[in-house]
Amino acid sequence: DAGVIQSPRHEVTEMGQEVTLRCKPISGHNSLFWYRQTMMRGLELLIYFNNNVPIDDSGMPEDRFSAKMPNASFSTLKIQPSEPRDSAVYFCASSPRLGSLDSNQPQHFGDGTRLSIL
Amino acid sequence: RKEVEQDPGPFNVPEGATVAFNCTYSNSASQSFFWYRQDCRKEPKLLMSVYSSGNEDGRFTAQLNRASQYISLLIRDSKLSDSATYLCVVNRNTGFQKLVFGTGTRLLVSP
Repeated sequence: DAGVIQSPRHEVTEMGQEVTLRCKPISGHNSLFWYRQTMMRGLELLIYFNNNVPIDDSGMPEDRFSAKMPNASFSTLKIQPSEPRDSAVYFCASSPRLGSLDSNQPQHFGDGTRLSIL
Repeated sequence: RKEVEQDPGPFNVPEGATVAFNCTYSNSASQSFFWYRQDCRKEPKLLMSVYSSGNEDGRFTAQLNRASQYISLLIRDSKLSDSATYLCVVNRNTGFQKLVFGTGTRLLVSP
């Protein structure tokens, strides 16, 4: 079975440019999560969706970040304009269901996008 | 103070050794707990859930102490392939699965 698919794997761009990261969750999973990982702060949840609806975006750092999930099989995380401090590894994860009764459902992570803003 | 705290390590152990990692969490309302493993430049993967009564999966044993808000992972008979970063993870359980990750403990197993 295909896992969570992220693209691109690596992105290097100059500050001020728009960056779009893409994610395809595992088929049948209706919960999707975007994380950012840095050495200093570890893995931080940015936003999560349930059935394509954003449930909690309190982790989104600022207005330069936005995320969408137009359908069950695709999500994007956009940074506009990008800044050097946005450099990090961005992970997308999905899980089968989201709810208090399913709190032990594992999250399956994609390979991540390594983003470098110069 | 971070919501989930771990010793970053690295823990350097020889093959065959037993090693234990600890983790503390600050949110007493947390309901579910996990250990994830992350290899260098790879994605995190679920290692095991942590149950109140403690649980074992082969060479790995996880324990939870709710009173002290403390989670542990014990690895027996360490293998070279156990070298990785081990992430302590807590579910805030705000009605939805909202995972909070520790920054990880690095383990290096040497021949």
